[in-house]
This record gives sequence, structure tokens and C-alpha cells, in this order.
Amino acid sequence: QKEVEQDPGPLSVPEGAIVSLNCTYSNSAFQYFMWYRQYSRKGPELLMYTYSSGNKEDGRFTAQVDKSSKYISLFIRDSQPSDSATYLCAMSAPVSARQLTFGSGTQLTVLP
Amino acid sequence: DTGVSQDPRHKITKRGQNVTFRCDPISEHNRLYWYRQTLGQGPEFLTYFQNEAQLEKSRLLSDRFSAERPKGSFSTLEIQRTEQGDSAMYLCASSLPIDRAPYNEQFFGPGTRLTVL
Repeated sequence: QKEVEQDPGPLSVPEGAIVSLNCTYSNSAFQYFMWYRQYSRKGPELLMYTYSSGNKEDGRFTAQVDKSSKYISLFIRDSQPSDSATYLCAMSAPVSARQLTFGSGTQLTVLP
Repeated sequence: DTGVSQDPRHKITKRGQNVTFRCDPISEHNRLYWYRQTLGQGPEFLTYFQNEAQLEKSRLLSDRFSAERPKGSFSTLEIQRTEQGDSAMYLCASSLPIDRAPYNEQFFGPGTRLTVL
């Protein structure tokens, strides 16, 4: 079993929809959580990072962490066709604070 | 552009050949990471440098793989005697010192896509 599981998708939504992307994890040592966006054949781009349980908002993006359930989410409001990409969750433990452990990614398409 | 840069962007080689990739991190970033990503999967950690010291290596990094960061700036990843299973995207990432980036946020380059025929 992988340490980080991510809904594989693909996910297709109409423009303007609210998108919910999710990951679960099994390693309770994970303390830092990130979301990356990756366009086709490009490197991952850091979107958001957070530490504690709760919500963090940045523009149209909201990251949510529930450590008790080992569950994290990324919400995208008013989705745009330019949001079409693969979204990767990533996490790390503070002891190592080195490697990130990634989910397998969710491919999102926002239809105009 | 002051982001992480990688060279080459694409590499096609025949099985058994050696290949070398280069990564130039963001200036001031003393931490540097190599990851490998195959189609439909997230990046997998390979190795980590703090300045010039290689502090961590994944068991994915077989004896055919070697990485260096001789002066604490750019890094190279070499694969000897390439195999078809080495075909993947090789990603480099960098981050600030831990006291300035406590969340371990890492910034990735565009990757080098390796195809082994």
C-alpha cells in the first residue's frame, strides 16, 4: 500500500465549477502538506503549502488538512480552462524535512 | 528567469549507454533534490544534497546511478549502462535553508525526459 493515495481521476468539469481534489495518507509522521500543479510535460509548480489542520486560502484555491482523518483536500473555486492540469499532493515529515512523498496525481480538465 | 533549470530537456539514448543530466538550482537555495517521475505517477525521491554533501539516497538509486554537487551549486545525475526501465522524467528541485523554508517547500525545474531505446 502506498503511503499517499490520491483519487486518480480523470476529472472533467464545466468552467465555473467548484473542484475538490483529495488525498489520504497513512504515515502519521507527515506534518507538512503541499499541492503542486503540473502541466503536460512540465515540472510541478508549487501551489500551496500548509502545516496545521484547518483551512488555508489563496485566491481561488483553498487547502484543507484533517490530520485526525489523515485526509487533505484542495478546492478550486470558479474553475477556469487554464486550471486544466494534473494536481499532485505532496507531504513530508519534519524529522527528515527532506524528501517529499507524492500522490499519483489527479488529471483535471475544465471545459469552456 | 530565476527558476530551477535543467539540461538537456530531452535525451534519447540506446540501452547500455551512459547519460548525464545537469541541474542549476535557484540561487540561495542550498538544498537540492532529484526525483524520478514515470507516466501517470507522482515524482519519486532519488537523492538529496545540502550544499555539497549528499545526505540521503533512496533505495531507488541503484549502483548505476550517481549524483554529485561538487561546489554546492549545480548538480549532475549520471546513469551508467542505461536500461529501458530508466525511461522517465528526471526532475530536480531546490529549496531554501531549513530555517527559511520550514515547510520544506521545494521548487521544481522543467525536468529531463529520458528515453532509452
